[in-house]
Amino acid sequence: EVQLVESGGGLVKPGGSLRVSCAASGFTFSDFSMTWVRQAPGKGLEWVSFISSTSIYIYYADSVKGRFTISRDNAKNSLFLQMNSLRAEDTAVYFCARVGWGVVAANDYWGQGTLITVSS
Amino acid sequence: EIVLTQSPGTLSLSPGERATLSCRASQSVSSSFLAWYQQKPGQAPRLLIYAASSRATGIPDRFSGSGSGTDFTLTISRLEPEDFAVYYCQQFGRSWTFGQGTKVEIK
Repeated sequence: EVQLVESGGGLVKPGGSLRVSCAASGFTFSDFSMTWVRQAPGKGLEWVSFISSTSIYIYYADSVKGRFTISRDNAKNSLFLQMNSLRAEDTAVYFCARVGWGVVAANDYWGQGTLITVSS
Repeated sequence: EIVLTQSPGTLSLSPGERATLSCRASQSVSSSFLAWYQQKPGQAPRLLIYAASSRATGIPDRFSGSGSGTDFTLTISRLEPEDFAVYYCQQFGRSWTFGQGTKVEIK
C-alpha cells in the first residue's frame, strides 16, 4: 500500500526556517517524481515545488522561489522541503504528493499533510 | 504562468442530478497534463481524472472528463451523497497550477 507521511510542521516566527519531511513507503520511491502542494486555511490548493526521480529537474512556484528548497534522499525514501525566510502567507497545510508514472501524469497519491503556522 | 479558471464557484444540486464543472485555461494546455481532483473537508485531495479524460484507479464511471486546448469539463452523471465536495482542475508542465476550485453542495 502506498503511504506518504509528512512531518516537521509547527509554529514558526516570521523570517524563521523550517524543514518538513515526507516518508514514502509501499512503492519504489526512486522511480517517481514528487511534488509539494500547500493549502492555506479555507483556501484552495497551491503547487509549491516539483522534483524529478533523480533530482535532475527541480521547479518552484514563483511565490517560494529563492526561499524554499526541495530535495530527496532515495536511499531513505524521503522527500524534504527546506523553508527559509518564512512569511505569514506561507501558513498552510503542506502536502507531499507522488507524480504518477507514465501516462498517469498527475498526483496519484497524497500524504495527509502537515500544518505550518507562521506567526509571531 | 498558465491560469486555470473554474466555474461556477459553487454548484447547488440534489442527489441524482448531473453536475457539470468547467475549467478554462489562459493558454492551451496539453490534454496529457490536465487532471481533476476531489477534496473533502479535512482530507487530502483525491485524483479522479488524469490526461483530461482517463479515470484514476477505483473511480466510479459516473465521473467523466472531457475537453482540449483551453476548455475542459468534469461531469458527474448522477450525484451520490459522497460526491458533495470541492473539485479542482490542475495542469502541469515546467510549472504546475490548480484552478480555484468548484464547491458542489447539496441543494
